[in-house]
Formats: sequence, structure tokens, C-alpha cells
Amino acid sequence: GAVVSQHPSRVICKSGTSVKIECRSLDFQATTMFWYRQFPKQSLMLMATSNEGSKATYEQGVEKDKFLINHASLTLSTLTVTSAHPEDSSFYICSAQTSGVYNEQFFGPGTRLTVL
Amino acid sequence: AQSVTQLGSHVSVSEGALVLLRCNYSSSVPPYLFWYVQYPNQGLQLLLKYTSAATLVKGINGFEAEFKKSETSFHLTKPSAHMSDAAEYFCAVSDPGNTPLVFGKGTRLSVIA
Repeated sequence: GAVVSQHPSRVICKSGTSVKIECRSLDFQATTMFWYRQFPKQSLMLMATSNEGSKATYEQGVEKDKFLINHASLTLSTLTVTSAHPEDSSFYICSAQTSGVYNEQFFGPGTRLTVL
Repeated sequence: AQSVTQLGSHVSVSEGALVLLRCNYSSSVPPYLFWYVQYPNQGLQLLLKYTSAATLVKGINGFEAEFKKSETSFHLTKPSAHMSDAAEYFCAVSDPGNTPLVFGKGTRLSVIA
């Protein structure tokens, strides 16, 4: 099946710094990528939908200026957490959607962000 | 608006016993339905999907699910649980087309030896 990678898998940063997370579709082109956030023992919460070459669509309650999303190519989307604070600590998961009929999304392995 | 309800946040079964994880959905149009599995600190892996073809869907690792429109359900089953099945399971729904998935809250499956 299709493979999606995320980098880094784990990051620890100081409060106030910015962190960039990359999501890549390795063997297919993804016109749409999604970014999710998952708190411990909870479900995935959709943060934003990212379409190649256009601005991301953010879900209600997600700060656009806080979580910057760039989808510069058909295989790469990035999420930058700006001026991170401890409450931003979470597991961030991206998914890439194939351009076929069945909406299938392939998920990355996730990035564990810890803000001290 | 679509939604998914997973009954039971935690299910515990004995090794070799039947696994039944419940999922009910709400959708204004015929939905696409998915089951994903998540192991600790990992991303999600697709177990199976329903996309308006056969109502009984077979997936990986011996899992299957049946789409029942009259009950708006898509329960996940496996005849015989294995220790390696212990994980978090998420049911998800989407409209046909390029729309994001809506996930249930997840069910943690424990398998007892």
C-alpha cells in the first residue's frame, strides 16, 4: 500500500520556539493532505485540510496563525507550530489522500511533540 | 453532519474469544465507512473499508465488518482474538468525494491470556 512518512517522529522543544513537522507521500501523489491532533487516550481531531497549491482549510477553533500549513508539492505538506507552548504538546498525525474514488487516506506514523 | 459513535471505550476479551467492536454512524448520504487500528505511539492502519459494494467487508488480520443500513451500524468482528490484536480501534465515516474522515472516539481492545 501507499506509504506516508512523517519527520521528526519525536521532538522536544522549549516554550516559545517553533517546530516544523513534515508529511510526505512516498510513492504516490496526494492532492489532499490532512492534519490531525490526538490527545492521550482520545480520538483524532481534524485540524486542517491541505490542498496542493492552495491555502489550507482550518477547522473551527484551530488557530491559523498558530498552526501554519504549507502544501507546496503533491508529495509534501508541512505543519509549523509557531511559538509553541506546553498546551501544544500532543501527537500530530498527517494523512494523505489518493486521487482515486474511495477516499482512502494513508496515515503517517505520527509526531510526538513535547513542549517544555 | 456526519458522526460516529463507538459503544464501549474499552473492551476486554479472552484469547481465542470472539471480538465485537460496535460502531454506529449518522450520515445524510450513503457513507463510506472505515475501521482503523492504532498501536501505541503509531499512526493508523486501515483494517477495512465499506464503499457501497458488498455489505460484508473482509479486512486484514482476520477482521470483518458488516454494513447494516437499517441499523446504521458497521460493527467490527473477529472470530478468535489473538494477543497481537490488543490495540486502539477507530471507526470513521466520510461522504463520497474528497472529504475528511470523521472518527469515533475509539475502543481500546485488551486481550487476556
